[in-house]
Amino acid sequence: AQRVTQPEKLLSVFKGAPVELKCNYSYSGSPELFWYVQYSRQRLQLLLRHISRESIKGFTADLNKGETSFHLKKPFAQEEDSAMYYCALDHGSGNTGKLIFGQGTTLQVKP
Amino acid sequence: GAVVSQHPSRVICKSGTSVKIECRSLDFQATTMFWYRQFPKKSLMLMATSNEGSKATYEQGVEKDKFLINHASLTLSTLTVTSAHPEDSSFYICSARDPGTRYEQYFGPGTRLTVT
Repeated sequence: AQRVTQPEKLLSVFKGAPVELKCNYSYSGSPELFWYVQYSRQRLQLLLRHISRESIKGFTADLNKGETSFHLKKPFAQEEDSAMYYCALDHGSGNTGKLIFGQGTTLQVKP
Repeated sequence: GAVVSQHPSRVICKSGTSVKIECRSLDFQATTMFWYRQFPKKSLMLMATSNEGSKATYEQGVEKDKFLINHASLTLSTLTVTSAHPEDSSFYICSARDPGTRYEQYFGPGTRLTVT
């Protein structure tokens, strides 16, 4: 079955500390994976997609097919990074937009 | 960036009535929109794909007669919850893909439905 798992509901770090938000997926084909972020009282927005191999706001994520993971990382957390982060998988064939979301991880960056 | 709006932001209706939620892409045309449902403290669950000019496609387990979707124009999709019951109370979120930005998916702010 296709599934996205984010094992941590809450991740709390101090400002300047490294951050890693875990995401594992289950998918039989070639996955298209995304990270979305939702800041307080704002709508969901795209943070990055694996196919772009880009770094947004200092965040990166590498697709590891062997471990079926797509962990989100940032070397030095900032207070403004505090938000809810969702990992998502496009479960259609190709870039269909049909997303399966993980449960989400709340990142709390303390001063 | 592209903007997607939803109306209303909150609605309360009585059990047995129907309620319509609108989703609009404000500055781009979207041939495809999506409807999600979010339960309290849970993740988003894809309900259906709304296709302009054709029938919506529903995810497994979602009742198409219960959740009617109409995508009559390139900027508007509507979700009608028919004969609503308290268990339909939820947060409904739509999204739209912008072909101008490599089909990036933009999300609306959501609609809180409460059925009494």
